[in-house]
Amino acid sequence: AQSVAQPEDQVNVAEGNPLTVKCTYSVSGNPYLFWYVQYPNRGLQFLLKYITGDNLVKGSYGFEAEFNKSQTSFHLKKPSALVSDSALYFCAVRDAKDNFNKFYFGSGTKLNVKP
Amino acid sequence: GAGVSQTPSNKVTEKGKYVELRCDPISGHTALYWYRQSLGQGPEFLIYFQGTGAADDSGLPNDRFFAVRPEGSVSTLKIQRTERGDSAVYLCASSFGTDNSPLHFGNGTRLTVT
Repeated sequence: AQSVAQPEDQVNVAEGNPLTVKCTYSVSGNPYLFWYVQYPNRGLQFLLKYITGDNLVKGSYGFEAEFNKSQTSFHLKKPSALVSDSALYFCAVRDAKDNFNKFYFGSGTKLNVKP
Repeated sequence: GAGVSQTPSNKVTEKGKYVELRCDPISGHTALYWYRQSLGQGPEFLIYFQGTGAADDSGLPNDRFFAVRPEGSVSTLKIQRTERGDSAVYLCASSFGTDNSPLHFGNGTRLTVT
C-alpha cells in the first residue's frame, strides 16, 4: 500500500542555518513526489516535485529536495532558513501505477525558524 | 489568475443537519479532488473527479457523504445527518490531471458540528 512518513512532528532551526525536513515513502510502482507548505488558515501551496530525471530538484522560495531511491526518501532542504519559512510542511506521493491520480500525504512537520 | 475557491470558509451546523460545501476549481483543470484535514493531521483523500464523473470515491467514509460535479467544473460536497466527528477542514484541489501535475488547493472550509 502507498504511504508517506514524516518522522518529525517538529523541526527547530535558527535563522540563517540550513534546514532539513524528512520524508520517506512506500509505493508499489515508481513514485511521483511532492512537497507542500501550509500557513495558518490557508490551503496547501505547492513547493516542488520529483517526477523523473535529476535527483535534486529545486522549487519555490529557495527550497530543494533530493530523491534517494535506495532509501525511499525525499527530504526537503534549504541552505539558509528564514523566519518566514516557519509553517507546516507536507510530503506527498503518487504511485505512477495508480490510474486514478490519488495523492497520499504525510502527517506534516511543523518548521520553527527562530530569529 | 484566480485560484481554487471554496465557500463558505467557515460553517457551523448542528448535529443531524445537512450541509453543502462548494468548490470552484482553476479554469481548465479537469481533475478535482476533495480531501479532509483534521487537526494535526495530513490531508485525507475523499474523492477524485476527472471531468464530470467520480473516478475514485473510495475515500468517502460512509454513505452520508456524497459529491457531485455536474458540468465538469464546480463541485459540491454534501454531508447528510452530520455528526460531531465530521468536524474538520475540507480541502478542495484541482489539477490538469496529467501524470506530473501538482494539486492546487483552495483555502478550505472549516466545518464545525455542534
